[in-house]
Amino acid sequence: DAKTTQPPSMDCAEGRAANLPCNHSTISGNEYVYWYRQIHSQGPQYIIHGLKNNETNEMASLIITEDRKSSTLILPHATLRDTAVYYCIVRVGFGRALNFGKGTSLLVTP
Amino acid sequence: GAVVSQHPSWVICKSGTSVKIECRSLDFQATTMFWYRQFPKQSLMLMATSNEGSKATYEQGVEKDKFLINHASLTLSTLTVTSAHPEDSSFYICSADTDRESVLTFGAGSRLTVL
Repeated sequence: DAKTTQPPSMDCAEGRAANLPCNHSTISGNEYVYWYRQIHSQGPQYIIHGLKNNETNEMASLIITEDRKSSTLILPHATLRDTAVYYCIVRVGFGRALNFGKGTSLLVTP
Repeated sequence: GAVVSQHPSWVICKSGTSVKIECRSLDFQATTMFWYRQFPKQSLMLMATSNEGSKATYEQGVEKDKFLINHASLTLSTLTVTSAHPEDSSFYICSADTDRESVLTFGAGSRLTVL
């Protein structure tokens, strides 16, 4: 699976949009981009995933560049409960594990 | 949505004893489950892939005789830490593949402390 690069940490003011970038320049055509987050001492929580098109759900939006070499996770109105480590992972699909990098530690401040 | 349940959520044991952690898929069948461990301030590290009805596949550096994995049914996988030592103290997390576009669902984790 392709490797990803994320900034180690980011800050965001409560109520503002949090934009978390991820580079995956070696992604192959059949690899999906997945985003998970881990709140302290809990199991990872699925947020969103996509292949080529931008995606939106009740939690976030995922913007994937046309060349698929990078993506951005957008939390439209960050709350204090969004403080967590966010992981961007690329993966082929069913039956394969997720390989976690170091992720981005997002701190949402009042 | 798909739910993965882990039990116990935390356990303390004496050095030399064995500890079993259960991972259940509550509302779906999981042919494949994955076991991870996480040390403080580090990311999740894949330990092994558990396939129903067959032997688990372990990642390099993970002792298969120490971390016994059994996946006897489509809804249950167990991890047994045998002869636990303080260095085995960690956060153990399981996950399972759902049929929902290959989204992995994770359990809440089991924190093991070996005294």
